[in-house]
Amino acid sequence: GAVVSQHPSWVICKSGTSVKIECRSLDFQATTMFWYRQFPKQSLMLMATSNEGSKATYEQGVEKDKFLINHASLTLSTLTVTSAHPEDSSFYICSALRAGGGTDTQYFGPGTRLTVL
Amino acid sequence: AQSVTQLDSHVSVSEGTPVLLRCNYSSSYSPSLFWYVQHPNKGLQLLLKYTSAATLVKGINGFEAEFKKSETSFHLTKPSAHMSDAAEYFCVVIKTGANNLFFGTGTRLTVIP
Repeated sequence: GAVVSQHPSWVICKSGTSVKIECRSLDFQATTMFWYRQFPKQSLMLMATSNEGSKATYEQGVEKDKFLINHASLTLSTLTVTSAHPEDSSFYICSALRAGGGTDTQYFGPGTRLTVL
Repeated sequence: AQSVTQLDSHVSVSEGTPVLLRCNYSSSYSPSLFWYVQHPNKGLQLLLKYTSAATLVKGINGFEAEFKKSETSFHLTKPSAHMSDAAEYFCVVIKTGANNLFFGTGTRLTVIP
C-alpha cells in the first residue's frame, strides 16, 4: 500500500510553453501533498505544500505564478510549470502525506524529469 | 531550525561487508528522523524512522539506525552489503508535529562485487 504515481515520468518541451505534472495517491487519501525539486547530484528542495481544497503554501524564493499548484481532490495534485525556460529543467518529485499510525509519513512518487529546450 | 548533514557524499563498500552512512542533525526541538533510499528512476522509499521511541530503529532490507542525542547523530548501518543496496541515501529531519521535511545532501552508496 501507499503508492504514489506521477505522470509523465519524462517530458521535453520548448521554451515558453507550459507543462503539467500530475501526482496521484493510488491507494490512500492525501489531504496534503508536497512538491520538491531536485537538481542533478543535489538534494531535494521543498517547493510548496499543497492542501486539498485550499491554496498551496510556497517556500521562500519559489514563484507561485510560475509554478501553479492545484489540489482538487484527495488523491490528485497537479504542478503546472508556466512559460517554462531552460533553467526550469529539473527533476520534480511529489509526496503525499498519509495520516495516522503515529508520525505521519510522506510517500514519494517516482519523479518527473523536465527538460526545457 | 532543523537541518541534517550527511558527512559523506559517496561511500564504496565490497559486497558482504558492513555499511555505515553518517548523518548528524541539528534541531531546536525534539526531532523526528528518517532515512530514505532513492534508486535510479524510482521514487524515494522510506527505510526507517525515529520518532522518540526506541533509540535503535530497525528498518527494511536489514538496515538500522541509532539515535544518539549526545552526539546529535543518526547513522545508518547494515551488517552486510548487497549489490541491490547500491543507491542514493538521504537523511531527513522533521520537526515533530510538522510536515516539512529537510533533506540532507545525500550519500551515494556503491557496492563492489
